[in-house]
Amino acid sequence: DAKTTQPNSMESNEEEPVHLPCNHSTISGTDYIHWYRQLPSQGPEYVIHGLTSNVNNRMASLAIAEDRKSSTLILHRATLRDAAVYYCILRDVEGTASKLTFGTGTRLQVTL
Amino acid sequence: DGGITQSPKYLFRKEGQNVTLSCEQNLNHDAMYWYRQDPGQGLRLIYYSQIVNDFQKGDIAEGYSVSREKKESFPLTVTSAQKNPTAFYLCASSIPGGYQPQHFGDGTRLSIL
Repeated sequence: DAKTTQPNSMESNEEEPVHLPCNHSTISGTDYIHWYRQLPSQGPEYVIHGLTSNVNNRMASLAIAEDRKSSTLILHRATLRDAAVYYCILRDVEGTASKLTFGTGTRLQVTL
Repeated sequence: DGGITQSPKYLFRKEGQNVTLSCEQNLNHDAMYWYRQDPGQGLRLIYYSQIVNDFQKGDIAEGYSVSREKKESFPLTVTSAQKNPTAFYLCASSIPGGYQPQHFGDGTRLSIL
């Protein structure tokens, strides 16, 4: 599986935008970029995914570099409820029921 | 509301005992998964199933067993052969397809007495 690299932790003030980076220099042409987040003592929650173009949904935006070797998850206005571990994961579009390979993610702290 | 229900939330196992973790989904998903999470770590795949009556081993299947007799249910048994079972266990489901998002339950925390 292609590997992703994320910072161990980041901090943000409430109501400010947050940019969570992810490097995936060995990404293949058939890999989708997925983001999940996990709150303490809960299961991971799907946030967003994309292939080449930038994507927006009600939770976040995903900006994908033109060469696809990096991406950034953007939370437009962080709230205390966004404090979680954020995982950037690559998934092969040609796979069937395939596993999610989780690294250790980025722990986001949000302060008042 | 559709979702995944895992039970129990907390479970304690005695030495040499088998225990079964329940996972039920009403999302009409064909694919289901079991993951294990150790403190401060990411998730590791134990077993997955793409369709009823079929399942495959994941990366750490030793000491675990599963069944998939119904589309809605994918129970995981932690056997006495699993020597280090203390962990957070997560069940997920998805529409088949490598790019489809997976939906997770809230997990079962298993500890050894």
